[in-house]
Amino acid sequence: RKEVEQDPGPFNVPEGATVAFNCTYSNSASQSFFWYRQDCRKEPKLLMSVYSSGNEDGRFTAQLNRASQYISLLIRDSKLSDSATYLCVGSSGSARQLTFGSGTQLTVLP
Amino acid sequence: EPEVTQTPSHQVTQMGQEVILRCVPISNHLYFYWYRQILGQKVEFLVSFYNNEISEKSEIFDDQFSVERPDGSNFTLKIRSTKLEDSAMYFCASTSAETYEQYFGPGTRLTVT
Repeated sequence: RKEVEQDPGPFNVPEGATVAFNCTYSNSASQSFFWYRQDCRKEPKLLMSVYSSGNEDGRFTAQLNRASQYISLLIRDSKLSDSATYLCVGSSGSARQLTFGSGTQLTVLP
Repeated sequence: EPEVTQTPSHQVTQMGQEVILRCVPISNHLYFYWYRQILGQKVEFLVSFYNNEISEKSEIFDDQFSVERPDGSNFTLKIRSTKLEDSAMYFCASTSAETYEQYFGPGTRLTVT
């Protein structure tokens, strides 16, 4: 049973495109959600927290729908440097440990 | 900007040997974690540590694993008798109590031969 499920991709998009990633989670007790990005053989880097009210950080917009147990990430005006694997992550438990999805691979093409 | 640091960046060891992976969390953070990522697989939670004790652990974190905060800055993961299947990237993370946003170190790549 996958607790956090993502489309693995790959998504290959041209520079300047808008791309959307979706994620579903099965643990309704999950308390918080995040998007991380991970470059090849590097550590996950926090991109943004995800709130039910939606939040935006520059070209990135994240949304959480608790009723549908669904999380999204929208990247506008994509740059070459956005090429990475995007990880959908939920936290649960008394220690707020993270449960990671398998990631969605994005390649932005020139 | 404060960051989590880890040493060594790469550790090669023989099966059955003990290894200690070291981490220095962000200084004002109170919660510390170890995760691992086997090549090509997703990041998996191992253990969390708060107030000088383990607060949660996964089924991966068996008796071969232990964690310690020997002083005010270091946080270590010990694997007592390494197996081939312990080969992975091991990431340390830390967070404050306010946001629960976890920040990861660069990882230690453990290779067991």
